[in-house]
Amino acid sequence: QQQVKQSPQSLIVQKGGISIINCAYENTAFDYFPWYQQFPGKGPALLIAIRPDVSEKKEGRFTISFNKSAKQFSLHIMDSQPGDSATYFCAASKATSGTYKYIFGTGTRLKVLA
Amino acid sequence: DTGVSQNPRHKITKRGQNVTFRCDPISEHNRLYWYRQTLGQGPEFLTYFQNEAQLEKSRLLSDRFSAERPKGSFSTLEIQRTEQGDSAMYLCASSFLAGPQETQYFGPGTRLLVL
Repeated sequence: QQQVKQSPQSLIVQKGGISIINCAYENTAFDYFPWYQQFPGKGPALLIAIRPDVSEKKEGRFTISFNKSAKQFSLHIMDSQPGDSATYFCAASKATSGTYKYIFGTGTRLKVLA
Repeated sequence: DTGVSQNPRHKITKRGQNVTFRCDPISEHNRLYWYRQTLGQGPEFLTYFQNEAQLEKSRLLSDRFSAERPKGSFSTLEIQRTEQGDSAMYLCASSFLAGPQETQYFGPGTRLLVL
């Protein structure tokens, strides 16, 4: 119940295209869903996050779509650029005795071709 | 505000040696997490501090691992009698809870290689 399943494992997109990464979870107690971007040799950096009472959130070229009934959420990167080439992780968290530890997906390695 | 810093960035050690990593969180953040990330995987939770109190430890944190956060500022993670399976990136994250959810800010990590 603690797992977050992420797909695809890797993704190749042409410059200007749309990149879509999907995540699914089991635990309905999760109440915060962030996406992180990680470049090689660097720590994860927060990209965008959503709460389950919102179905969509957009920040610049990045959009999260959230389907509470299906227990799924996805990241859409519009007008993908070579600089977006990185590994993307979805995560989920819930407050447990004051701890908000994140449960991460396994990551999606995105390559945007110039 | 220079973000979360971690030292060293890289550590190579021989099996059986002890290693210690340091994390300096963002200055006003009272919450600090340690995660471990192996190649091709997402980070996995190890332990959590609120101020100086260690409030949760994962089952991943065997008794060879110990973490401290004296005075609620920087934190250290020590691994005793290292094993090859300990090779991973060790990530520190800090946060300040200002609402119902929490955003964690990650450091660059310490990459450990046990030979």
